[in-house]
Amino acid sequence: GAGVSQSPRYKVAKRGQDVALRCDPISGHVSLFWYQQALGQGPEFLTYFQNEAQLDKSGLPSDRFFAERPEGSVSTLKIQRTQQEDSAVYLCASSRLGFGNTIYFGEGSWLTVV
Amino acid sequence: GQNIDQPTEMTATEGAIVQINCTYQTSGFNGLFWYQQHAGEAPTFLSYNVLDGLEEKGRFSSFLSRSKGYSYLLLKELQMKDSASYLCAVRHTDKLIFGTGTRLQVFP
Repeated sequence: GAGVSQSPRYKVAKRGQDVALRCDPISGHVSLFWYQQALGQGPEFLTYFQNEAQLDKSGLPSDRFFAERPEGSVSTLKIQRTQQEDSAVYLCASSRLGFGNTIYFGEGSWLTVV
Repeated sequence: GQNIDQPTEMTATEGAIVQINCTYQTSGFNGLFWYQQHAGEAPTFLSYNVLDGLEEKGRFSSFLSRSKGYSYLLLKELQMKDSASYLCAVRHTDKLIFGTGTRLQVFP
């Protein structure tokens, strides 16, 4: 596709509910990132994939958060037993391999936990 | 630890020039990026610096001094549409580490 695509764009979950957020990166992009952005803050790193390998998950806030990219393309971020503090925008980004390559962001999935 | 500092808010007048500063202290450095983010939208890439000096791209320029851990984004001939948040980010290994962002408001 032309850009990074994320779905759903908006999600309201009841506390305790599980949610799954999907990311479709730019075709051919090896690197895929998930970020969490609270209102008025910069994005916070969650996890990084290179193809299907999850090379860095140091930013995942708890074991309720899980991400996968089984075929090295589409990725899913799953949050189990959601809590109010999980309310945020979840941004997915992708890039070609290499430090100088631009990282392109999707518009995000807005999660509100009530 | 990783620390990236930028002012929280700035205001400027249409047609003016504004400079947004960013200082960083990170354990690794593979380049510095600036992104623009309008409310409710995705961050969009503005510039990338990996060597010291000034990179100019139209109305926007970005400067880097690695020895000082310092960068700035310069916006010239401000337009109302430049009202947005500007995010400074350091590339550390594979990932970007962001500052909190500077919210710029441009007034007529």
